[in-house]
Order: sequence, then C-alpha cells, then structure tokens
Amino acid sequence: EVQLVESGGGLVQPGGALRLSCAASGFTLSTYWTHWVRQGPGKGLEWVARIRNDGGPTTYADSVKGRFTISRDNAKNTLYLQMNSLRAEDTGVYYCARDNPPRRLDPWGQGTLVTVSS
Amino acid sequence: DIQMTQSPPSLSASVGDRVTITCQASQDISNYLNWYQQKPGKAPKLLIYDASTLETGVPSRFSGSGFGTHFTFTISSLQPEDFATYYCQHFGYLPLTFGQGTRLEIE
Repeated sequence: EVQLVESGGGLVQPGGALRLSCAASGFTLSTYWTHWVRQGPGKGLEWVARIRNDGGPTTYADSVKGRFTISRDNAKNTLYLQMNSLRAEDTGVYYCARDNPPRRLDPWGQGTLVTVSS
Repeated sequence: DIQMTQSPPSLSASVGDRVTITCQASQDISNYLNWYQQKPGKAPKLLIYDASTLETGVPSRFSGSGFGTHFTFTISSLQPEDFATYYCQHFGYLPLTFGQGTRLEIE
C-alpha cells in the first residue's frame, strides 16, 4: 500500500525550531517530487514547499522562505521539513503529499500538528 | 501567484440533491485544476484532476468541468458520506494555491 506517515510535530516556543519527518512506504520517495502543505486551525490549505526527485532546486512559499528547509534521505525513504525561527502563524497541521503525475497531490499523509506558542 | 476564488464558502443541502461549486482562477491555467474532499480531522483526498478526470475509485456522482479560468465541480446526488469541505487547487506552476474551501452541510 502506498502510504505517507508524518511525525515530529509538537509544541514549540516562538523563535524555536522543529523538524518534521514523512516516512514513505509502498513506493520509492526519490522517484517523485514531494510537497509539504499546511492548514492553520479552522483555515484552508496552504502550500509550503516542494523538492524534486532529481535533487534539483527546492521551492518555498514566500511565507516560509529563508526559515524552512525541505530535504530527503533516500536511504530512509523519508522526507523532512526543518522549521526554524517559528512564529505563531506557523501553527497548524502539516501534511506531506506525493506529486503524482500528471499534476496531482496523492496520496497525503495523515498530518502532524505544530503549535507555536509561549 | 495565481489566486483561486471558490464559491460558495458554505452550502446546505439534503441527501439526493445536486450541488455545484465553482472555482475561478486569476489567470489561464488550462485544465490544471484539481478537486479535493476533506473531512474533519482527516487529510484531503483527491477526487478529480485535470479539471474533469475522476480519480480511480471515486464514485461517478462526482464530476468536474472547465478550462482556462472557470471551473465547476458537481455532485449529482448527495450521499450522507459526501458532507465535507471541498477545495479546488491549481497545478499550473509554483506556488500551488487552493481555493478557500466550500463547507457542505446537511440541511
């Protein structure tokens, strides 16, 4: 079964850091582009970042550029999101999703909750 | 960035009703438009991609149409399990953007 499972969320103070993980099973993560998408409490969906399958340039939303880093460990078949200088507005559920040609986000992980608060 | 304007924000309907949601893109996105369903506490689920192609396993009561900047999503006969929030999303180029969502509630 093709599956993505996120972990690493939690409560962190403003200015702090957190690293999210997204473990893939049923497929090889490095053969697909993959994304992080987040959802604030009671809000809609916001795209965060993408990494290509070929290790090429990564791309970020303006709201997280310079603070977040998307990366991948091919040996562990795992995607990461390193989040630094966290702000209250970064609070929400973070999902990883596979970029499944043509032009689909499927599947999605179940999400991991990040809360930025003092 | 491409802005996606989705309407209505909420909709009340009954089992068996036909409902339609619209999504307007701020510029031409060809047919690079997806529709997702999200239930409370769950991840979004892909229903339709490329504006009108039904994802494998999705019931045929769901359909989509449109090209360029104007798109529609229809449920032909609402079932109890369809009450959820629906999002459109463009896949033209980065950043990917989503509509604000339509919350479909039981009347």
